[in-house]
Amino acid sequence: GESVGLHLPTLSVQEGDNSIINCAYSNSASDYFIWYKQESGKGPQFIIDIRSNMDKRQGQRVTVLLNKTVKHLSLQIAATQPGDSAVYFCAELGGGAQKLVFGQGTRLTINP
Amino acid sequence: DTAVSQTPKYLVTQMGNDKSIKCEQNLGHDTMYWYKQDSKKFLKIMFSYNNKELIINETVPNRFSPKSPDKAHLNLHINSLELGDSAVYFCASSPDHGSEQYFGPGTRLTVT
Repeated sequence: GESVGLHLPTLSVQEGDNSIINCAYSNSASDYFIWYKQESGKGPQFIIDIRSNMDKRQGQRVTVLLNKTVKHLSLQIAATQPGDSAVYFCAELGGGAQKLVFGQGTRLTINP
Repeated sequence: DTAVSQTPKYLVTQMGNDKSIKCEQNLGHDTMYWYKQDSKKFLKIMFSYNNKELIINETVPNRFSPKSPDKAHLNLHINSLELGDSAVYFCASSPDHGSEQYFGPGTRLTVT
């Protein structure tokens, strides 16, 4: 499954499938990007980050891809599990700003 | 052990009252933040402090006043509460402004 954060805030996938969550960021000068996961009733939790000198970074079951040409960031989650159900946020930092700017968020639902 | 903690978790109060939310981090970080998350899950920074000094003050009404008694604490005081202040408020900390941020569990404020 695939979603665009700004136009499709909800994504449903079957347990075990891979999911892709997309994010369009706004500042071409941003040089640091983070994906956060927010479960119901909790604060955002760091998943993975990437700096602008890279275009791909992998973690455990997650991969972040950065395309600076089109200012696009994606989070791939492999073999989704029920515990992956949450709202996922991308955030950007840089360009002289000292604050993280968060995207809209995408709600990921894992169906059994 | 809780890295970033907030109290209270829930706060219900009437319009016009004054209330405070407390935040503490035991990570040894230099920078702390307050965020507001609205009903649509949009996360926006309000303030940031670095070593007890105010760094970022977004366009927030004067009724909101952060106070940092020391590097590990950043409290938020709100005067003359309004209905529109109802939201979830998150505290966060980071080693510095260019690093990932660790969020607290949030304080759900309801103004009636």
